[in-house]
Amino acid sequence: GESVGLHLPTLSVQEGDNSIINCAYSNSASDYFIWYKQESGKGPQFIIDIRSNMDKRQGQRVTVLLNKTVKHLSLQIAATQPGDSAVYFCAENLHYGNNRLAFGKGNQVVVIP
Amino acid sequence: EPEVTQTPSHQVTQMGQEVILRCVPISNHLYFYWYRQILGQKVEFLVSFYNNEISEKSEIFDDQFSVERPDGSNFTLKIRSTKLEDSAMYFCASRGRENQPQHFGDGTRLSIL
Repeated sequence: GESVGLHLPTLSVQEGDNSIINCAYSNSASDYFIWYKQESGKGPQFIIDIRSNMDKRQGQRVTVLLNKTVKHLSLQIAATQPGDSAVYFCAENLHYGNNRLAFGKGNQVVVIP
Repeated sequence: EPEVTQTPSHQVTQMGQEVILRCVPISNHLYFYWYRQILGQKVEFLVSFYNNEISEKSEIFDDQFSVERPDGSNFTLKIRSTKLEDSAMYFCASRGRENQPQHFGDGTRLSIL
């Protein structure tokens, strides 16, 4: 079953340091993965995506790593800034139907100036 | 940058009343979605819509829910007889082609009294 509640795993990071956020996904048939950032009162904002035929993809200050063997995703944020404070969700694109997204539970990142 | 817009930002409704949440997806997108997020929990899929029909729906999307694309720009979610447990943030999303990321609006906060 799923655990529910108000408490999210929280990562506190000093401004300028690197952040790593981890996510376990559930479906070995998923072939497309997305990281979203959600700030308070806003909708999920696309950060970076990766297809299952890749194990690493880099964007601007962000890198996503995919380990299909253990069904694990991570998001690395380089030189974390105060504007990076948010909740980060991984989402797997279930490759059936019209590609609904299944979201993970979220990780709160707090950047300390 | 084009974005998904949702109205209203906050809707307060008496239990048992009908409510319509409105979304304007990104203009050249073809796939449309509704998700909801109960306070403190993860984002949950409700329904996907393509080519003027529902392509997939979750177990949450029961007979009280319906979606419509009444014209070329709007995409609506109707809840026919609201219940207390319908209180949540409702997010609309849209995407272009296969395996492109879904882009989300900032949501409508629905409060049922």
